[in-house]
Amino acid sequence: SQELEQSPQSLIVQEGKNLTINCTSSKTLYGLYWYKQKYGEGLIFLMMLQKGGEEKSHEKITAKLDEKKQQSSLHITASQPSHAGIYLCGADMSGGGADGLTFGKGTHLIIQP
Amino acid sequence: NAGVTQTPKFRVLKTGQSMTLLCAQDMNHEYMYWYRQDPGMGLRLIHYSVGEGTTAKGEVPDGYNVSRLKKQNFLLGLESAAPSQTSVYFCASRGLARYEQYFGPGTRLTVT
Repeated sequence: SQELEQSPQSLIVQEGKNLTINCTSSKTLYGLYWYKQKYGEGLIFLMMLQKGGEEKSHEKITAKLDEKKQQSSLHITASQPSHAGIYLCGADMSGGGADGLTFGKGTHLIIQP
Repeated sequence: NAGVTQTPKFRVLKTGQSMTLLCAQDMNHEYMYWYRQDPGMGLRLIHYSVGEGTTAKGEVPDGYNVSRLKKQNFLLGLESAAPSQTSVYFCASRGLARYEQYFGPGTRLTVT
């Protein structure tokens, strides 16, 4: 079973509109990481969340981790063509930190002009 | 500062052939990882290393071997390639002080 569920699987948004991507786990997360991947390329680190209720922003992207540390959301405000790509959430499920991340299946984001 | 590099970028193998994928990082990171990415499956951890000379199994280790003889390099080997190993392979590394992993550009492997 997939330990980290991402939704939606794909998203088509008109340029300038806001959007939200969700990442949910049935277990407590020790760390939640958001990455962006352009098609055919590697993953680019966006943000890391560790504390319940934590929120971080970078430019027009805001990520939040709920108080129970089981759900995270990524919100993009006033989307631009440069935001298009695959967004992946990864999580430290063990608390060890060194054991590698568990990833969701990704959300494909298309921005329509 | 190149970050994480992977060699080769593309490779086509025939069933039964062997090959080694090389990952190199110039950030002096302690931890290194190999993942595979398949459509509909996301990224899955194959093997990882918490330091020079150490390796450990991840979620999908069967059919792969790894070695970390030098701190900056992490090798992934396929002894007898199978079509099920057709995938995009990503290497990542992480330092002790910061928790985020930095990824290489990937190697696209096709086994026919």
